[in-house]
Amino acid sequence: SQTIHQWPATLVQPVGSPLSLECTVEGTSNPNLYWYRQAAGRGLQLLFYSVGIGQISSEVPQNLSASRPQDRQFILSSKKLLLSDSGFYLCAWSVRRAEETQYFGPGTRLLVL
Amino acid sequence: KQEVTQIPAALSVPEGENLVLNCSFTDSAIYNLQWFRQDPGKGLTSLLLIQSSQREQTSGRLNASLDKSSGRSTLYIAASQPGDSATYLCAARTSGTYKYIFGTGTRLKVLA
Repeated sequence: SQTIHQWPATLVQPVGSPLSLECTVEGTSNPNLYWYRQAAGRGLQLLFYSVGIGQISSEVPQNLSASRPQDRQFILSSKKLLLSDSGFYLCAWSVRRAEETQYFGPGTRLLVL
Repeated sequence: KQEVTQIPAALSVPEGENLVLNCSFTDSAIYNLQWFRQDPGKGLTSLLLIQSSQREQTSGRLNASLDKSSGRSTLYIAASQPGDSATYLCAARTSGTYKYIFGTGTRLKVLA
């Protein structure tokens, strides 16, 4: 069966510090991968998605970036965090067929102080 | 640009009641529409997925319908239980993309 991992589970970082969140998927190959952010009281905002190694699509302008160094690894990064980067970050994967569902990881709660 | 709206934002019902959650989308050119459940501080769990060619899907006490022409989907929960308390999110996948656009969710509380 497939599983998706995210770490860390919780992170408190000062403004201006760097960020690296990791997401890995097990039990599948060539997944589509997604990064979402969920701010308090708001819906899920798609940040990045990837259909293959090294292929990243950015959905919103921001100071975050994403990378996919391996087929089942998706990393979210920032060189300098802003207060507005606080939120709940969710990674998800789906099979590359239109009719398939998305599966979500447990999320990382980020608080920027 | 696809926009997804969910009404109501919050709902509180007594145990045993049947209820309907609503989801509206502006672009009817979708591959599918999904309903998810999110417990506080947790990730999302997929409940039902309806393909664009389908009208409804059922799983246990849950039934989701899709009307592309009117841009609406509903999630029907029968005989609600306190364990159903959570936030319910719908997401539409626009045709020709890999993107899922989410609504802001309905926060459901079922009172014992």
